[in-house]
Amino acid sequence: GDSVTQMEGPVTLSEEAFLTINCTYTATGYPSLFWYVQYPGEGLQLLLKATKADDKGSNKGFEATYRKETTSFHLEKGSVQVSDSAVYFCALRRSQGNLIFGKGTKLSVKP
Amino acid sequence: EAQVTQNPRYLITVTGKKLTVTCSQNMNHEYMSWYRQDPGLGLRQIYYSMNVEVTDKGDVPEGYKVSRKEKRNFPLILESPSPNQTSLYFCASNGAGQGFYEQYFGPGTRLTVT
Repeated sequence: GDSVTQMEGPVTLSEEAFLTINCTYTATGYPSLFWYVQYPGEGLQLLLKATKADDKGSNKGFEATYRKETTSFHLEKGSVQVSDSAVYFCALRRSQGNLIFGKGTKLSVKP
Repeated sequence: EAQVTQNPRYLITVTGKKLTVTCSQNMNHEYMSWYRQDPGLGLRQIYYSMNVEVTDKGDVPEGYKVSRKEKRNFPLILESPSPNQTSLYFCASNGAGQGFYEQYFGPGTRLTVT
């Protein structure tokens, strides 16, 4: 069945460091892919999306490219800030329309 | 303001005492879902609804019920809560049909069953 696997956390970085959070998926066909972010005490918010192969989603300095050959959608940011500390979830949309989420990766950025 | 609201935000209850968590959205969305979030397991879908009077099981439906009598509301019912239902619950909604529709999440309900 469909599934999403993302790297285990927590990830701790210093401010201005480079961030990569790996995400791979298993699915039939070419599902839409998403990254959601959850700040402490809040619900999830959509960070970025890609709806077809080779699409690059981007928002707030974060980027992810839909790679069908490696079934991956890795999240990257060139220079993280303390305010980026949050839990990040990779997700895919099933054919029925509902989402499957990865287990989440907690990011802590130190000043 | 477009939003998904949940009530209560926090709830402590005892085993076997029926409870309902309400969810409401003001965006006229067709699609609504309930998830639970547990450490190390991410978010898992409990139930979803594609429109009024249309509901279906997600990945972890056991011990839960839902109803969708109105488009804006999608309550989650625990008829006989047990300690393994202690979790953080999220309601979400999105539009449906052709094209992409962002899924909006409520702020969460932290449930503790003793």
